[in-house]
Amino acid sequence: AIQLTQSPSSLSASVGDRVTISCRVSQGISIALAWYLQKPGKAPKLLMYDASILESGVPSRFSGSGSGTQFTLTISSLQPEDFATYYCQQFDSYPPTFGQGTRLEIK
Amino acid sequence: QVTLKESGPALVKPAQALTLTCTFSGFSLSTNLMRVSWIRQSPGSAPEWLARIDWDGDKFYSPSLKSRLTVSKDPSKDQVVLTMTNMDSADTGTYFCARGSNNYVFDSWGQGTLVSVSS
Repeated sequence: AIQLTQSPSSLSASVGDRVTISCRVSQGISIALAWYLQKPGKAPKLLMYDASILESGVPSRFSGSGSGTQFTLTISSLQPEDFATYYCQQFDSYPPTFGQGTRLEIK
Repeated sequence: QVTLKESGPALVKPAQALTLTCTFSGFSLSTNLMRVSWIRQSPGSAPEWLARIDWDGDKFYSPSLKSRLTVSKDPSKDQVVLTMTNMDSADTGTYFCARGSNNYVFDSWGQGTLVSVSS
């Protein structure tokens, strides 16, 4: 199965900060990557797919980029509701697999 | 509005089978390209995809769990059922069902149901 490695595993930041989360994939997947946000005790929520296409209703402060084996999720100006765990997920190859997560905490 | 909700036992004994039901609304699994997946998450871990059933009846399973999983659908009730046999403590976690209208992109999720495996 394709492996996804996120960095950093955890991150402390302040409201208003710009943050970037990376996702490295063990083999090329073109742009078949999605990002999810998960808050404690809740289900993951789809943020974007095809590496950079925002799901309906997701604020424009979220953006994604990358292709092949390197991807990034950027939040341009952190808001209080953004503190959560973020997961990348590939859907190029069966079975779909997730990264280990990046926990974004308030500094 | 798309909603999904998982139901099933909160506690199962080792070696028993687990049966979970996903009841959904706001879409039809008979519609072309609609899919429902089961995904689980152990405490403190990343989600793990388990199985998928498609609008046309095709079924897909995690290679590592394939021998233990069965997924089925009941279109008349808008439900998808997952059965996992030979449960073990390592199977403890939260089980989610999720809609995939784009292959393996999960655009709507249920709230999840916590399953503990213990004697």
